Amino acid sequence: ETGVTQTPRHLVMGMTNKKSLKCEQHLGHNAMYWYKQSAKKPLELMFVYSLEERVENNSVPSRFSPECPNSSHLFLHLHTLQPEDSALYLCASSQDLLVAGANVLTFGAGSRLTVL
Amino acid sequence: DAKTTQPTSMDCAEGRAANLPCNHSTISGNEYVYWYRQIHSQGPQYIIHGLKNNETNEMASLIITEDRKSSTLILPHATLRDTAVYYCIVRVVGLDSGGSNYKLTFGKGTLLTVNP
Repeated sequence: ETGVTQTPRHLVMGMTNKKSLKCEQHLGHNAMYWYKQSAKKPLELMFVYSLEERVENNSVPSRFSPECPNSSHLFLHLHTLQPEDSALYLCASSQDLLVAGANVLTFGAGSRLTVL
Repeated sequence: DAKTTQPTSMDCAEGRAANLPCNHSTISGNEYVYWYRQIHSQGPQYIIHGLKNNETNEMASLIITEDRKSSTLILPHATLRDTAVYYCIVRVVGLDSGGSNYKLTFGKGTLLTVNP
């Protein structure tokens, strides 16, 4: 149990579907992140939230829509995705934004997305 | 943030110490060295971090050279479960001129394979 729970762990969707990925952290952290990890590529930061406010939208296409209703939950809404969006989507949290040296990321296990 | 260079892969015998090198020759005085690892199909896991002194915790030891241009992560008694990709990350701590700096940039890391 890492303290960051992601559901579903695996998702297969067609290009016209609408689905959502959910992330929940039980650590009392104030910042939450979405990362994307495609095959053979480094992790890419997608979105950053601090106290439910989005502070980073890293040039992500609008077919990915994040939502942070409270500091414990983070969603990634998906619609009209492309096959190249197939990847491992990782949620992470930290006590506060990664400004202080002791602040580190705690990751969930990820949601493996396949777009057909 | 300073760039890091790590070997693509390494092997280690079970029960022996695993020494993972990282070169960060352009590191500046306010940059910390962080290590994370990612076991296959899981999210990355924080291991340890340091500024200039050697650090040790229950998972590993971090040895930083006096000139801070390189470091070594040491797993004292590697087990099969330590097989993973190990990421060495260097980042500035504190707010940058834009009032932000909360990104953790992952490279390709070193694939450590622990053999029986």
